Amino acid sequence: AQSVTQPDIHITVSEGASLELRCNYSYGATPYLFWYVQSPGQGLQLLLKYFSGDTLVQGIKGFEAEFKRSQSSFNLRKPSVHWSDAAEYFCAVLKTSYDKVIFGPGTSLSVIP
Amino acid sequence: DAGVTQSPTHLIKTRGQHVTLRCSPISGHKSVSWYQQVLGQGPQFIFQYYEKEERGRGNFPDRFSARQFPNYSSELNVNALLLGDSALYLCASSLGLADYNEQFFGPGTRLTVL
Repeated sequence: AQSVTQPDIHITVSEGASLELRCNYSYGATPYLFWYVQSPGQGLQLLLKYFSGDTLVQGIKGFEAEFKRSQSSFNLRKPSVHWSDAAEYFCAVLKTSYDKVIFGPGTSLSVIP
Repeated sequence: DAGVTQSPTHLIKTRGQHVTLRCSPISGHKSVSWYQQVLGQGPQFIFQYYEKEERGRGNFPDRFSARQFPNYSSELNVNALLLGDSALYLCASSLGLADYNEQFFGPGTRLTVL
């Protein structure tokens, strides 16, 4: 079965600290990979995506993600977190161009001053 | 430019009632997709409409239906509401049919079924 896992339900980091949010998928081939952010009361916003090529992708708001085929992972990182980064983060996977996007369960990020 | 808009923002219904949710896509976008997001979970795909035709359906019962109008706006209808239908319903629009096209999400409609 198609599966996207985000092992961390909730993460708390201090403002200015680095951040890494984990995402794993269970497909044989390399899927299309996405990270979305959802702030309270708002819809989802695309942070970045990976389709092919360079395995380190840069996104908006200072985020980056690295695709690791050997680990079936697509972890999201940010070197220095800001209080405004507090939100829900969703990893999403598209198996092929003919399929529908499947979202992971999300990781809730809290930022403490 | 206006983003994806959804109405109403919040809705409270009782079991067995019917509800209609509305979505207006970004101008020029011909694809509209509907998602259900239960508290604590990621969005789950319900429907996709492209050029006024249904192009995808998720694993939801027939109580859920949708349509797309000539101006590409869309409605999601849910009949015989159950408590488990309580969720945030998200609409997303995109230029193309395939999901590798960037989807732009609206703020959602929060449905509470009592």
